Amino acid sequence: GAVVSQHPSRVICKSGTSVKIECRSLDFQATTMFWYRQFPKQSLMLMATSNEGSKATYEQGVEKDKFLINHASLTLSTLTVTSAHPEDSSFYICSARASGNNEQFFGPGTRLTVL
Amino acid sequence: GDSVTQMEGPVTLSEEAFLTINCTYTATGYPSLFWYVQYPGEGLQLLLKATKADDKGSNKGFEATYRKETTSFHLEKGSVQVSDSAVYFCALTLYNFNKFYFGSGTKLNVKP
Repeated sequence: GAVVSQHPSRVICKSGTSVKIECRSLDFQATTMFWYRQFPKQSLMLMATSNEGSKATYEQGVEKDKFLINHASLTLSTLTVTSAHPEDSSFYICSARASGNNEQFFGPGTRLTVL
Repeated sequence: GDSVTQMEGPVTLSEEAFLTINCTYTATGYPSLFWYVQYPGEGLQLLLKATKADDKGSNKGFEATYRKETTSFHLEKGSVQVSDSAVYFCALTLYNFNKFYFGSGTKLNVKP
């Protein structure tokens, strides 16, 4: 099956710093990538949808200036959490979908802890 | 609006017991339905899916049938194993398969 990787798998940072999380589709071209956030013991909430080469579409309530998303190539999307605060601590999961395919393939997630 | 409701966990079973995790949905259109599994520290993996009414998705001994009349997609397995311990998410998507709506997840603990 299709494989999606995320890097790093775990990151700890100080409040006020920025953190970049990478999402890569390893064996297929992902025309669309999605970023989710999962709070402890809760479900995934879609943050934004990004199409290669265009601006991301953010869900209501998600600050686009805080969560910068770049989908510069068909195999890579990045999520940058700017000026991170402890309340940004969460599990961030990306997924990717190939053109003409209805299925989303999920990455293993990145655990962000902001001190 | 569109949403998914799952039974709350955790569910604790002994090995070889029968498993049912209830899932019901509300959708403005005609959804496709999914079950995903999340093992500790990992991302979601697709377990099974069904795209139209009366379809049965199955994988690794798990089954779920798309019931339009009851708007349900309950997950079942006849005999669980310790290795099935994980969190299970029911989900739906509509139209262009862009946006997924996930249930809150049900944690399953299987004891030997």
